[in-house]
Amino acid sequence: DVQLVESGGGLVQPGDSLRISCAASGFTFSTSWMTWVRQAPGKGLEWVTNINQEGSAKYYVDSVKGRFSISRDNAKNSLYLQMNSLRAEDTAVYYCVRLDNSGYMAYWGQGTLVTVSS
Amino acid sequence: DIQMTQSPSTLSASVGDRVTITCRASQSINIWLAWYQQKPGKAPKLLIYKASSLGSGVPSRFRGSGSGTEFTLTISSLQPDDFATYFCQHSNSYPYTFGQGTKLEIK
Repeated sequence: DVQLVESGGGLVQPGDSLRISCAASGFTFSTSWMTWVRQAPGKGLEWVTNINQEGSAKYYVDSVKGRFSISRDNAKNSLYLQMNSLRAEDTAVYYCVRLDNSGYMAYWGQGTLVTVSS
Repeated sequence: DIQMTQSPSTLSASVGDRVTITCRASQSINIWLAWYQQKPGKAPKLLIYKASSLGSGVPSRFRGSGSGTEFTLTISSLQPDDFATYFCQHSNSYPYTFGQGTKLEIK
């Protein structure tokens, strides 16, 4: 079975940095596009970033460009999101998602909560 | 950026009802549209991809249709498990965007 398990969320102060991780299993990670989607408390879903299989192509929503960086380690079946200069508006549950053909999201992790507050 | 607008925002219905949720794109997205169901405290679940293809294990009472800028999700006979929030999402171009969600409530 496909499993995506996020970790690393927590409470940080505005301006801080945090790296969250996603451990993937049950599929060939190295041949899959991956994505991060976030959801602020009580709000809708927001696509954050995609990365291709080799890690050579990365795309970001404007609100995180220059602050967030997606990466992957195919040898470890792991996906990462490095978040710098965090703001209160980055507070959300962050989901690790496998991106399938045509850009749809068939497999989601359980999410990790990132709270940015002083 | 392509904006996705869902209607209605809230829908009250009864078990056995047929319901339709609409998603409109601010420009053509061909058939690059997916629908998701989300229950409180849980991750979203894929229902429909490429506008009308049924996700794996999704009951056949869920049907997606449309192309271009207007899309619909129809549930033919509501079951108790269907009361949840539904989101559409396009993947035509970056940035991917989601609709604001439609909360399906029990009448």
